[in-house]
Amino acid sequence: QSALTQPASVSGSPGQSITISCTGTSSDVGSHDLVSWYQQYPGKAPKLMIYEVTKRPSGVSNRFSGSKSGNTASLTISGLRAEDEADYYCCSYAGGYTVHYVFGTGTEVTVL
Amino acid sequence: EVQLLESGGGLVQIGGSLRLSCAASEFTFKNFLMTWVRQAPGKGLEWVSAISGTGSYAYYADSVKGRFTISRDNSKNTLYLQMNSLRADDTAVYFCAKDAVDTGYFYYMDVWGKGTTVTVSS
Repeated sequence: QSALTQPASVSGSPGQSITISCTGTSSDVGSHDLVSWYQQYPGKAPKLMIYEVTKRPSGVSNRFSGSKSGNTASLTISGLRAEDEADYYCCSYAGGYTVHYVFGTGTEVTVL
Repeated sequence: EVQLLESGGGLVQIGGSLRLSCAASEFTFKNFLMTWVRQAPGKGLEWVSAISGTGSYAYYADSVKGRFTISRDNSKNTLYLQMNSLRADDTAVYFCAKDAVDTGYFYYMDVWGKGTTVTVSS
């Protein structure tokens, strides 16, 4: 049950695009399309931003997009805004011997 | 509006016990897998436990297996987490979360509660 690997921090200027990677294994990220992404502001609950690798819930800006290649999923934020400054976590279903969810280590996004 | 409201957090001594509750509203509770996720101070999210819609299947992180028990009362639309043999590293905000698809299995978590704080101290 090891955490998925994310960069600790990513930064960008307003209007730029940034990408956050999320690296797992063939037992989790690489084995199916049940990867989701969550945005979290300090002291608040996480909010679903992307599900099933590429899908956006209703109400989430189309500036947020997801993708996956092999054991690595990615979240891209386009047209970066000050309000995007938050922590972001990937999450994957992990099957096998012990079924569970596994989260990424988290990425702090800073808007310069 | 779908809502989850956690309660039961507090200050407890090392080795003590605590039971968390999560009251659900505005959805067919019994159809959905429910999950507990925690976040230690200044740290990331950690999946703790999940339970199938019927309550027949429970899943645990290695870090809490044998100490924590997840359960649900579908007649009361309430999820529980019984925490025993608490350790200092169990100190965290505990969130409950609803799964998105009404098959009672793992897909992704679409609704979260605001969390309840558990502090384990000597």
